[in-house]
Amino acid sequence: DGGITQSPKYLFRKEGQNVTLSCEQNLNHDAMYWYRQDPGQGLRLIYYSQIVNDFQKGDIAEGYSVSREKKESFPLTVTSAQKNPTAFYLCASSPSGHLMNTEAFFGQGTRLTVV
Amino acid sequence: AQSVTQLDSQVPVFEEAPVELRCNYSSSVSVYLFWYVQYPNQGLQLLLKYLSGSTLVKSINGFEAEFNKSQTSFHLRKPSVHISDTAEYFCAVSDAVTGGGNKLTFGTGTQLKVEL
Repeated sequence: DGGITQSPKYLFRKEGQNVTLSCEQNLNHDAMYWYRQDPGQGLRLIYYSQIVNDFQKGDIAEGYSVSREKKESFPLTVTSAQKNPTAFYLCASSPSGHLMNTEAFFGQGTRLTVV
Repeated sequence: AQSVTQLDSQVPVFEEAPVELRCNYSSSVSVYLFWYVQYPNQGLQLLLKYLSGSTLVKSINGFEAEFNKSQTSFHLRKPSVHISDTAEYFCAVSDAVTGGGNKLTFGTGTQLKVEL
């Protein structure tokens, strides 16, 4: 089945530790995105990548880093510099070219809790 | 820059009653509009979208939304809700400009709670 896989579903980390969230897609999409969801705030864009080996900061990139070495993978690292990392993280992908704006497909999310 | 406003954070409604979830947007360019639904601890699923053409768009499970350019709105409606419609609903907008990338801007969400 084609889709986006995020792992793990739940993640616990101690304060001060870096942690990497996985996102893999087999939809052959060029573009991938990371969003953060907090209660009452909707989804906010962290980073996005429109093509392999290229990515741009979104609205709340501070304290996060990404890489895009392969088309199907877009891992997100939450660093110790992120002041409030506990949140629900959603990965998405979208088709290429002129279809890029027409739809985004989401993974099931990773809930990160920092204690 | 774009923005999306969902004024109602929660909407309680009885089963089989009609419901409207409001969405207004602002943008300096043409836009595509989306409604996504999220069930607890899950990702977002696309409910319906407006890209072009008919301003009234429908989903397979009875929801519909109408794009109103003059009022910059994209309200979601359903004539008769079911318990299973209980979820959080997000309105989103993206640039209808080729090459702009699908950087969705989301509203803050509306929690629809259907009661017996």
